[in-house]
Amino acid sequence: SYVLTQPPSVSVAPGKTARITCGGNNIGSKSVHWYQQKPGQAPVLVIYYDSDRPSGIPERFSGSNSGNTATLTISRVEAGDEADYYCQVWDSSSDHPNVVFGGGTKLTVL
Amino acid sequence: QVQLQESGPGLVKPSETLSLTCTVSGGSVSSGSYYWSWIRQPPGKGLEWIGYIYYSGSTNYNPSLKSRVTISVDTSKNQFSLKLSSVTAADTAVYYCARRAGTTEAYYFDYWGQGTLVTVSS
Repeated sequence: SYVLTQPPSVSVAPGKTARITCGGNNIGSKSVHWYQQKPGQAPVLVIYYDSDRPSGIPERFSGSNSGNTATLTISRVEAGDEADYYCQVWDSSSDHPNVVFGGGTKLTVL
Repeated sequence: QVQLQESGPGLVKPSETLSLTCTVSGGSVSSGSYYWSWIRQPPGKGLEWIGYIYYSGSTNYNPSLKSRVTISVDTSKNQFSLKLSSVTAADTAVYYCARRAGTTEAYYFDYWGQGTLVTVSS
């Protein structure tokens, strides 16, 4: 089955840029989606189709995807961005198509 | 604005069946553009997709749970439901319902319920 690998944690100072990676075999050939989850809340879609932003998501959130790594970039990080972030793809490579989530990355704003 | 709300028992005994319902408002489960999904999250852990259903009744389940999962839809009530049989403590989790959107092989979840904690314990 397809595996998505995320770093468990990323730390960044306010105002700086955070980059959260999501690794997978030839992930560049798939569409990657990203979710933000704050404590006690449901996940919120922040990026879909690698780099599109849903309505209401700040332009500070952007995404890219190439080769074996997809990246969520958060510019000018704010305290309110502190959360867990999950990447997700649809895997049709096996006999049984499947939704796959990464293990999640905790973003800490220093 | 589409809203989803989970409901059901918060405590289930081991070996019994977990049953949850998701009520959709601001949209219709009969919309041909979307599938309706269940996703869970054990305490302190990551997200796990359980399965989804189309308004016609067509389903797709996570292979790791397929033998124990049934998802159904009631278009008259604008609801869809989850049944997970033979539960153990490992099934303790926050259960979310969500709407699956996107194009072929590029699906994502754009609306989520608030989640409901189900604890498996005697």
